[in-house]
Amino acid sequence: EPEVTQTPSHQVTQMGQEVILRCVPISNHLYFYWYRQILGQKVEFLVSFYNNEISEKSEIFDDQFSVERPDGSNFTLKIRSTKLEDSAMYFCASSQRRDREIHNEQFFGPGTRLTVL
Amino acid sequence: GQNIDQPTEMTATEGAIVQINCTYQTSGFNGLFWYQQHAGEAPTFLSYNVLDGLEEKGRFSSFLSRSKGYSYLLLKELQMKDSASYLCAVRAAGNKLTFGGGTRVLVKP
Repeated sequence: EPEVTQTPSHQVTQMGQEVILRCVPISNHLYFYWYRQILGQKVEFLVSFYNNEISEKSEIFDDQFSVERPDGSNFTLKIRSTKLEDSAMYFCASSQRRDREIHNEQFFGPGTRLTVL
Repeated sequence: GQNIDQPTEMTATEGAIVQINCTYQTSGFNGLFWYQQHAGEAPTFLSYNVLDGLEEKGRFSSFLSRSKGYSYLLLKELQMKDSASYLCAVRAAGNKLTFGGGTRVLVKP
């Protein structure tokens, strides 16, 4: 069964450093997302991406964050200057169809645990 | 704004039935999803409702009432492996999902 993959599984970084989290969405999916989950808290939407541009972003997704699809398979999240409060599990997700179509399930990757020291 | 409420924790016995309620107030509605999340793992899709009524899928069923802003997930014939968090998520406009805080279900023998 096709699945979303993410690397690395765990990233430790120093405050102020840049990190890039990588995702390979399911191959025939067109919509890509990043979510984060701070330990013990709810899953929060960061950004959605379609047709090589951001389609929606949350208040969390400020100028320190960026996303890119550098080739036909990878989808990356960059945090330019990490802060302590960026420590969280970051989930990539992908879906196949437009929101108006029935059952546009989002498939989640296993996550990258980011620890900022 | 978006507000999604579900109980924090529930305990049930193996073989029993548990019902997890979710109430929501959102600006727009385009579907409600239930996901299961084991500790330290990714959410996995369980069910989807966009019209009022009950959707049944094996041991899991989900119900939606759009006029009441209410859904529930019903887990029947509970198994130990069902111990997990269950996340209610609403898709309003666009594709983004807004999640509730999750309900941790503990299944006891």
